Amino acid sequence: EDQVTQSPEALRLQEGESSSLNCSYTVSGLRGLFWYRQDPGKGPEFLFTLYSAGEEKEKERLKATLTKKESFLHITAPKPEDSATYLCAAPSGGYNKLIFGAGTRLAVHP
Amino acid sequence: NAGVTQTPKFRILKIGQSMTLQCTQDMNHNYMYWYRQDPGMGLKLIYYSVGAGITDKGEVPNGYNVSRSTTEDFPLRLELAAPSQTSVYFCASGVEETQYFGPGTRLLVL
Repeated sequence: EDQVTQSPEALRLQEGESSSLNCSYTVSGLRGLFWYRQDPGKGPEFLFTLYSAGEEKEKERLKATLTKKESFLHITAPKPEDSATYLCAAPSGGYNKLIFGAGTRLAVHP
Repeated sequence: NAGVTQTPKFRILKIGQSMTLQCTQDMNHNYMYWYRQDPGMGLKLIYYSVGAGITDKGEVPNGYNVSRSTTEDFPLRLELAAPSQTSVYFCASGVEETQYFGPGTRLLVL
């Protein structure tokens, strides 16, 4: 059964304190690994897609990386506005359907 | 482009009542999806559509129905609302595997 698992469930950082979020997956024939950001009361917002092991993508203070078993979202020198829930997802079952992890709630304090 | 829009933003239903959650996209995407999101549980797929007139069940379809008469619209119907349907509902549309989400409808069944 395809599965996406995220850790930790919640992460509290001080402003400027870099860290990483983890997304491990067991999906046959991976056709991409997706990262989304979700602010409270809002819908998920697309961040990145990674397609092959070794691939990296960056956006401002965020960098996503992919290995054969997991993906990391590295946050460098975070600011309070980076506080959100970060979701990862992978295609499963055809018709471009995605399965989502439960997310990591990130809180960055000044 | 408005992207994906959903109405209403919030609704309270009594047990046994019915309602339709509206979803419209203006990006001419063939693929559309309905998810529910419960606290700490991630997004679960309810129904999806690969084009006008074509719909299929996702992971948690019981208690819901959908229709897709146009490319733009993908309404979700709740019949005989139950407390277990209290959740936040998100509609998404997509091209290839990338999905774009609406702002969500928060539903409370009492």
